[in-house]
Amino acid sequence: GQSLEQPSEVTAVEGAIVQINCTYQTSGFYGLSWYQQHDGGAPTFLSYNALDGLEETGRFSSFLSRSDSYGYLLLQELQMKDSASYFCAVRSKAGTALIFGKGTTLSVSS
Amino acid sequence: NAGVTQTPKFRILKIGQSMTLQCTQDMNHNYMYWYRQDPGMGLKLIYYSVGAGITDKGEVPNGYNVSRSTTEDFPLRLELAAPSQTSVYFCASSRTGEIEQYFGPGTRLTVT
Repeated sequence: GQSLEQPSEVTAVEGAIVQINCTYQTSGFYGLSWYQQHDGGAPTFLSYNALDGLEETGRFSSFLSRSDSYGYLLLQELQMKDSASYFCAVRSKAGTALIFGKGTTLSVSS
Repeated sequence: NAGVTQTPKFRILKIGQSMTLQCTQDMNHNYMYWYRQDPGMGLKLIYYSVGAGITDKGEVPNGYNVSRSTTEDFPLRLELAAPSQTSVYFCASSRTGEIEQYFGPGTRLTVT
């Protein structure tokens, strides 16, 4: 089967740094994506890693280790507006769609 | 550009009724997807399409049907609605492959 594991909840304070981990088990692998979703609204794309290493986009970074079937999303200088659910997703076969994890709810407090 | 639009926003169905969830994108994307999201859960793929006239099943296709007669539209049909289909339904599209998907606002469906 195919599965993605991520923590269900993470809490942090404004200005802090938080890391959301994702481990995956899939029959194939073409890349790891991260999406953000506020209060059941439309998910929005954050980042994508196809190769090992770190990708940085502003306050957000994403890391991938293909040998460990592991990735993480790093959020720096946390703001209240970062309170949301974060989903990792894997594309396991070319020409097919994403498989999503169950999501991590991040709560940022002042 | 409006992006991905979905109608209706909310709907309540009785068991056994049928309905079509509409999805339209104006970005000329080839790939379109239908997901459902149950409370506290991730997104599960129902059906997807890689272009007009081509559709394929996702993880949870039972009880649903789709068609893709144009690049812009990808309607999802529910036949004989059941309480287990109570969920939020998201439509999404992407230009090529699946790296960055653009999601619609969702349709909140309750079957009672």
